[in-house]
Amino acid sequence: DADVTQTPRNRITKTGKRIMLECSQTKGHDRMYWYRQDPGLGLRLIYYSFDVKDINKGEISDGYSVSRQAQAKFSLSLESAIPNQTALYFCATSHLTPEQYFGPGTRLTVT
Amino acid sequence: GENVEQHPSTLSVQEGDSAVIKCTYSDSASNYFPWYKQELGKRPQLIIDIRSNVGEKKDQRIAVTLNKTAKHFSLHITETQPEDSAVYFCAASPYGNNRLAFGKGNQVVVIP
Repeated sequence: DADVTQTPRNRITKTGKRIMLECSQTKGHDRMYWYRQDPGLGLRLIYYSFDVKDINKGEISDGYSVSRQAQAKFSLSLESAIPNQTALYFCATSHLTPEQYFGPGTRLTVT
Repeated sequence: GENVEQHPSTLSVQEGDSAVIKCTYSDSASNYFPWYKQELGKRPQLIIDIRSNVGEKKDQRIAVTLNKTAKHFSLHITETQPEDSAVYFCAASPYGNNRLAFGKGNQVVVIP
């Protein structure tokens, strides 16, 4: 679904570095989400935003921060990356109804 | 908060047979139950969903059933094909809340 894009698609970084993952959408959706996927653990919600002025923590927000720069953009930052933040990160969007649409994912490796 | 569990974690079926994956949820306020399919290296994609005012929904070879009393819902795939091999995630969302609580996923393997 090209309507939700994520950059970069792959990133290798070192422990202690600051890194930002970006999500953009052209679907016109007001709600955006960041998830983390680890093998065997499913999809866990990090942060979500229901509009530009609304930011909410999910179940695993420690070590992460977000910025909603515009309705179409939602960025996830790792202030000081650590190896156990190595995972696949997905952005998702929704609008008025609960159906969520996922971006292609960013594979992050922290060495 | 909502807790969603999926069983079994891995399911192998012969091509042409049916596959059933069951999920249980904890929050009786949940009223929306989607199923996502994730192929290897791809994003999760919504394949079917059901709301609590409906007991069953079908879309070609897939169907979802909901038992609100027992707080469980199931995905049924008939006439399985190799392209059905994937990880399937169930989720639940309480009424008025667009957050989804996901299960840990089921690996379905269709053996040709």
